[in-house]
Amino acid sequence: GQNIDQPTEMTATEGAIVQINCTYQTSGFNGLFWYQQHAGEAPTFLSYNVLDGLEEKGRFSSFLSRSKGYSYLLLKELQMKDSASYLCAVKDSNYQLIWGAGTKLIIKP
Amino acid sequence: IAGITQAPTSQILAAGRRMTLRCTQDMRHNAMYWYRQDLGLGLRLIHYSNTAGTTGKGEVPDGYSVSRANTDDFPLTLASAVPSQTSVYFCASSSRSGDADTQYFGPGTRLTVL
Repeated sequence: GQNIDQPTEMTATEGAIVQINCTYQTSGFNGLFWYQQHAGEAPTFLSYNVLDGLEEKGRFSSFLSRSKGYSYLLLKELQMKDSASYLCAVKDSNYQLIWGAGTKLIIKP
Repeated sequence: IAGITQAPTSQILAAGRRMTLRCTQDMRHNAMYWYRQDLGLGLRLIHYSNTAGTTGKGEVPDGYSVSRANTDDFPLTLASAVPSQTSVYFCASSSRSGDADTQYFGPGTRLTVL
């Protein structure tokens, strides 16, 4: 079967750095996405990785290792507005997105 | 409008009733998707359409139907609602061009079936 694993919940302090991990087992791989979802809102696109390595976009970076079936999202200089759920999704061999359950990130002052 | 709109925002429905959730996008995206999101589970694909006039089944299609008569609209119909269809429903679209093919989401419809 296809599976995306992420921690259910993480807590971090404002101004700090947090790393949210995602491991996957899917039938084929055509890219990995990270989305942010605030409570009661729609998911919004954060990043896309298809090749191994780190993609940096402002305070957010995303890393991919295809051989390990592993990705992480790194959030720097955390702000209270970063409190949200972070969703990892993999595009499989049929080009459909398989979604993890999401990691709820709680930021404390 | 800009992006994707969904209607209604929320709905309480009696079991056995028929219900259509509406989705409209103005980005001229080829592909559209319907997902449901339940607590503790990832987004699950119900149905999708790669282009106007075609539709396909996702992971959890039973009890749902869709149509894609034109590029902009992708309604989702529950023929006879059951309590297990209580969920938040998201419509999404993508251009189906380029490697990333990022999906963009509507605001969602919160459906309660009693």
